Amino acid sequence: EDKVVQSPLSLVVHEGDTVTLNCSYEVTNFRSLLWYKQEKKAPTFLFMLTSSGIEKKSGRLSSILDKKELFSILNITATQTGDSAIYLCVNTGNQFYFGTGTSLTVIP
Amino acid sequence: EPEVTQTPSHQVTQMGQEVILRCVPISNHLYFYWYRQILGQKVEFLVSFYNNEISEKSEIFDDQFSVERPDGSNFTLKIRSTKLEDSAMYFCASLFETQYFGPGTRLLVL
Repeated sequence: EDKVVQSPLSLVVHEGDTVTLNCSYEVTNFRSLLWYKQEKKAPTFLFMLTSSGIEKKSGRLSSILDKKELFSILNITATQTGDSAIYLCVNTGNQFYFGTGTSLTVIP
Repeated sequence: EPEVTQTPSHQVTQMGQEVILRCVPISNHLYFYWYRQILGQKVEFLVSFYNNEISEKSEIFDDQFSVERPDGSNFTLKIRSTKLEDSAMYFCASLFETQYFGPGTRLLVL
C-alpha cells in the first residue's frame, strides 16, 4: 500500500533553533516529492524534488531527497515564529499522497 | 504575484443537492488539481486535469464528482448529490513549474 509517513508529528522549538523534518515514503511509480507549508488555510508550495542527492534551498529552508532509502528531509535554520505551521510532504506516484504533516511551533 | 482564485469562499447546501465549486487557475498553467481537507484531517488528492482531460483521480473521486474546464479559464468541480461527509475545505491548485493553491472553498453539507 502506498503511503507517506512524516516525523515527528509535532515539534516545539525556540527561535533560532534548527529543525529537521522527515518524510519517508512507499509509492508506486514515484515521480516527485513535494513539500508544502500550511498555516491557516491553503498550503504554500515550498519545494519539488525529483532527483536524489540534489539539495534545494530557499533562504533558511532546504530539502533533499534520497530515492534509494525512500526519504526526504526539510531543514529550517534559524527558525522564526513565522515558521510555525504544518509542513506537508506529498509524494506523486500514481496519485498525490499526502503525509499527515509535522506541526512546528516556534516560540520566542 | 500570480494567484489561483476560488469561488465561493463558503457554501452551505442541503444533502442531496448539487454544488459547483469554481476555480480560476493561473493563466499559463497547464496542470490543474482538486484536493479536499476534512476538518482536522490531512489534505486528500481528488483529481488532476491536463490537456482538457482527467489525468489521475483518487478513490474518493467517484461518479458523484466531475470536473470541467468549460471556457479555457475556469476549472470547476461538481458534486452531483452531496453527502454529509462531503463537508470539507476544497482546494484548487494549478501548476506550471511551481504549484499554487487557491484559498479554498469551505463546503458545509447539512
